[in-house]
Amino acid sequence: GDSVTQMEGPVTLSEEAFLTINCTYTATGYPSLFWYVQYPGEGLQLLLKATKADDKGSNKGFEATYRKETTSFHLEKGSVQVSDSAVYFCALSDRGKAAGNKLTFGGGTRVLVKP
Amino acid sequence: AAGVIQSPRHLIKEKRETATLKCYPIPRHDTVYWYQQGPGQDPQFLISFYEKMQSDKGSIPDRFSAQQFSDYHSELNMSSLELGDSALYFCASSLSGRFEQFFGPGTRLTVL
Repeated sequence: GDSVTQMEGPVTLSEEAFLTINCTYTATGYPSLFWYVQYPGEGLQLLLKATKADDKGSNKGFEATYRKETTSFHLEKGSVQVSDSAVYFCALSDRGKAAGNKLTFGGGTRVLVKP
Repeated sequence: AAGVIQSPRHLIKEKRETATLKCYPIPRHDTVYWYQQGPGQDPQFLISFYEKMQSDKGSIPDRFSAQQFSDYHSELNMSSLELGDSALYFCASSLSGRFEQFFGPGTRLTVL
């Protein structure tokens, strides 16, 4: 079955540092890829997405590129802020159905940014 | 912009009781999904519906059932609750043909 592996946390950074969270996947088909962010006590927010190879998703200074050859979708941000402290989930959706395809999540990476 | 609405936000039940969780998708979204997230865990897919029909099924216990109604809202019914059912339950919605899902704030279920 499909699976997503992301680096374990916690990742502790100082403000304005560079952030990278590695994510690799295995999928039987050609998935869409996502990053979700979960702030304490809240639901998951879609951060960015990519639907085909070499697509770059970006939002709020975060970026990730769909690399089919390495089956990866690493998340990066050039200068983090304290407000970026959260848990980040990499996820994929296979496209076997027209609708209702489940998301498969990685284990999540907790990021803590210190002032 | 309107988001996914879930009710109740918090629910406390005793073992062997039943619980019903409700989800109201983003307007015009025709597909709903249910996920369960245990403490410190990633969300696990339970079930999804498209146009009131079950679309996909994950690790949903037989004690749980769900449906989607004509107005696209969905309900997750949970019976014979066990301590291990204590978790955050998320509903998500999407528009058919689009693969991104938008999540609600979740219902925190505590089984005592």
